[in-house]
Amino acid sequence: NAGVMQNPRHLVRRRGQEARLRCSPMKGHSHVYWYRQLPEEGLKFMVYLQKENIIDESGMPKERFSAEFPKEGPSILRIQQVVRGDSAAYFCASSPLGLDYEQYFGPGTRLTVT
Amino acid sequence: DVKTTQPPSMDCAEGRAANLPCNHSTISGNEYVYWYRQIHSQGPQYIIHGLKNNETNEMASLIITEDRKSSTLILPHATLRDTAVYYCIVSPTGNQFYFGTGTSLTVIP
Repeated sequence: NAGVMQNPRHLVRRRGQEARLRCSPMKGHSHVYWYRQLPEEGLKFMVYLQKENIIDESGMPKERFSAEFPKEGPSILRIQQVVRGDSAAYFCASSPLGLDYEQYFGPGTRLTVT
Repeated sequence: DVKTTQPPSMDCAEGRAANLPCNHSTISGNEYVYWYRQIHSQGPQYIIHGLKNNETNEMASLIITEDRKSSTLILPHATLRDTAVYYCIVSPTGNQFYFGTGTSLTVIP
């Protein structure tokens, strides 16, 4: 049973470019969560999605960031016009049901903005 | 926001029990206590969770005080591979996980 998969594992973008991060949840999981971890800090919640629905995006920056979890395919976290402050590790987690169940994390995508 | 307080760092001798404390004095009656750990820069790993009763699994034990205002994660026989940052999380009903800065546990040979 494959775990949560994220790709790419490392992504380098120049300022102003777009970054697309992908997350494939564990088989049978329909709930996806995205977190961001800045250097030397803890993980910070960004967004919680179910298939085709955004349930909670209270942790998402208001501009340039968006997320989706289509009926088919992986969840996508999209960052437009990246800036140096977006450099971080982005983790995706999935769970079989909703909140109050354990979340299983992927290996993360390390985004570096030059 | 983060609702837990943990010591920033702890050391433990290899083979001994590691006891990691967590205060969550504002916990609500229907909120669970979760423990995760993050080894180096990997994705966090689920360890254990509980509501009221003490819990044990193959990785650890979770002791929750009767008033539920604090808990302790116990790794019974710490190994070098248990060196990690350990996060105690209270799950607010209808909301998401908030990770604080956790406790950096170093297991010493």
